[in-house]
Amino acid sequence: QQQVKKSPQSLIVQKGGIPIINCAYENTAFDYFPWYQQFPGKGPALLIAIRPDVSEKKEGRFTISFNKSAKQFSLHIMDSQPGDSATYFCAASWSSYQLTFGKGTKLSVIP
Amino acid sequence: EAGVTQFPSHSVIEKGQTVTLRCDPISGHDNLYWYRRVMGKEIKFLLHFVKESKQDESGMPNNRFLAERTGGTYSTLKVQPAELEDSGVYFCASSPLARHYEQYFGPGTRLTVT
Repeated sequence: QQQVKKSPQSLIVQKGGIPIINCAYENTAFDYFPWYQQFPGKGPALLIAIRPDVSEKKEGRFTISFNKSAKQFSLHIMDSQPGDSATYFCAASWSSYQLTFGKGTKLSVIP
Repeated sequence: EAGVTQFPSHSVIEKGQTVTLRCDPISGHDNLYWYRRVMGKEIKFLLHFVKESKQDESGMPNNRFLAERTGGTYSTLKVQPAELEDSGVYFCASSPLARHYEQYFGPGTRLTVT
């Protein structure tokens, strides 16, 4: 199975809150799990990525948590800001190179 | 370093017409990908070039779509004849050979078929 499923579809948080977006995958051959951030009118931008040999990765205010046994991974945004308002896509890939995307979560951070 | 560029940003054509989308990858990136996002759906893989060679075209929906990459530089995606269901945003991405996972996306071409 190739699917990557994400939740929720949209998310509204107050400034300073910690939005969490979850993704689940089915194909255990996936070995690379990136998150992309997309602003209106722009293409998706690689935000942070993780491989299944680690359970957590942090880059600035963004953290990926990875649960291999549950086949789930999530994005946490610490101290969220209005500038973080965007659509976030989880994706997965294996050595065939192509990315399999989830549907995207629209995040709104309100002041 | 210039990013991935795509042209045009928006195209509106009638059913049955032909449209050609262009992608210029980041200089030095041998991998080039095309993806498509239909309204409300996931971004879906179309095909992958390594230099001028098609590595994987398993995502191409049908033979109305033709992708080329001349000399391993820019790429074009032609839709002929266009159908209503071809409407969507077409993204191009590129990545270097050594770090092929790190795909950098262009801004996309929004194609509307009426």
